[in-house]
Amino acid sequence: GQQVQQSPASLVLQEGENAELQCNFSTSLNSMQWFYQRPGGSLVSLFYNPSGTKHSGRLTSTTVIKERRSSLHISSSQTTDSGTYLCALANTGYQNFYFGKGTSLTVIP
Amino acid sequence: GPKVLQIPSHQIIDMGQMVTLNCDPVSNHLYFYWYKQILGQQMEFLVNFYNGKVMEKSKLFKDQFSVERPDGSYFTLKIQPTALEDSAVYFCASSSRTGGNEQYFGPGTRLTVL
Repeated sequence: GQQVQQSPASLVLQEGENAELQCNFSTSLNSMQWFYQRPGGSLVSLFYNPSGTKHSGRLTSTTVIKERRSSLHISSSQTTDSGTYLCALANTGYQNFYFGKGTSLTVIP
Repeated sequence: GPKVLQIPSHQIIDMGQMVTLNCDPVSNHLYFYWYKQILGQQMEFLVNFYNGKVMEKSKLFKDQFSVERPDGSYFTLKIQPTALEDSAVYFCASSSRTGGNEQYFGPGTRLTVL
């Protein structure tokens, strides 16, 4: 079955609003990574975050292993944040990633 | 940061032909992966490769698929023969070790099978 569930599937924000993207998983976790997928398809790694909280500029990722969830918080959203956000997790020694279906974010001016 | 390169960026071929997708992973990495993403769909794991061997593969990794990395050169994905359903973007990734490590992804090769 589906190991990685992302929510919401899509989100529309006014510029300046905050966004909270969720990733829930049904298995144990070995590795967790958040990506931004550009409209052209290439991936930008945002966070490698198997546990705890990490910050990068306006982005914050929090992974709580015992609750089997990870979140990506975007503060003060900008139109350039529009795109698809993917979470991926690995639960085996060889670190094969299982990806969620993504959250499509649209930020309007 | 470390970069993974993929060659070519686009490939168009006729069904039944052979195709080789090339990946130049991060230089000191030991674990290599291929993922497949059909347009508009979810990214899916195909295969991983370590120490010259396939360690795990998914059901998407059909008998027509093979991977190798001869003498530390490109990590390649070969499809022979290709089928229409092989049309997708193929992403290569590499990481330095297991036990929890970040994967670095290439920009993808868009394969179109006609």
